[in-house]
Amino acid sequence: SQQGEEDPQALSIQEGENATMNCSYKTSINNLQWYRQNSGRGLVHLILIRSNEREKHSGRLRVTLDTSKKSSSLLITASRAADTASYFCATVSYNNNDMRFGAGTRLTVKP
Amino acid sequence: GAVVSQHPSRVICKSGTSVKIECRSLDFQATTMFWYRQFPKQSLMLMATSNEGSKATYEQGVEKDKFLINHASLTLSTLTVTSAHPEDSSFYICSARWGTGYSPLHFGNGTRLTVT
Repeated sequence: SQQGEEDPQALSIQEGENATMNCSYKTSINNLQWYRQNSGRGLVHLILIRSNEREKHSGRLRVTLDTSKKSSSLLITASRAADTASYFCATVSYNNNDMRFGAGTRLTVKP
Repeated sequence: GAVVSQHPSRVICKSGTSVKIECRSLDFQATTMFWYRQFPKQSLMLMATSNEGSKATYEQGVEKDKFLINHASLTLSTLTVTSAHPEDSSFYICSARWGTGYSPLHFGNGTRLTVT
């Protein structure tokens, strides 16, 4: 079963703008991870944030985590057309080591 | 980086036949492998989790006799869709992980299964 929801479901922006995607989840987690998927391909791991962390950066990516609200956000700064893809959050619970994905956000960056 | 090879990338089969999908971790030992199913423009639905040498743990609603998972070694897991029907047509993706839940998943490129 899926863990949570992401919003927006779809996001269209111009190159150079920032893109923010949100993820909410339902159960307690060990960590939360963000992945990217190009159409018809597998997923690529972007960043992992642990439950005791609040913010993490990696290049143009910034991830926040609010465990009290059970939510996370992914910010892509200075977007590029090549960032066009679907982005998924995934949670790992304490009880299990499995990974469950949110519904995803389809990001389109127009050149 | 860690590479996971999934084969075949596309397969078309007739209703009633079985299809085997292979997932290999090429440059690391995968203690855990996951199989997901993805419908168009939707998220990944976890089908089963398999640990090397153990029986797979299936998610609720996934028929273990229909979706046979074998994780015989630390680098290979297979998913066999038995007696396939058109409703089994989907995108199947495997992923592999070394270590615990703090480790990221490494994904294969998926298999597009079409059952006619």
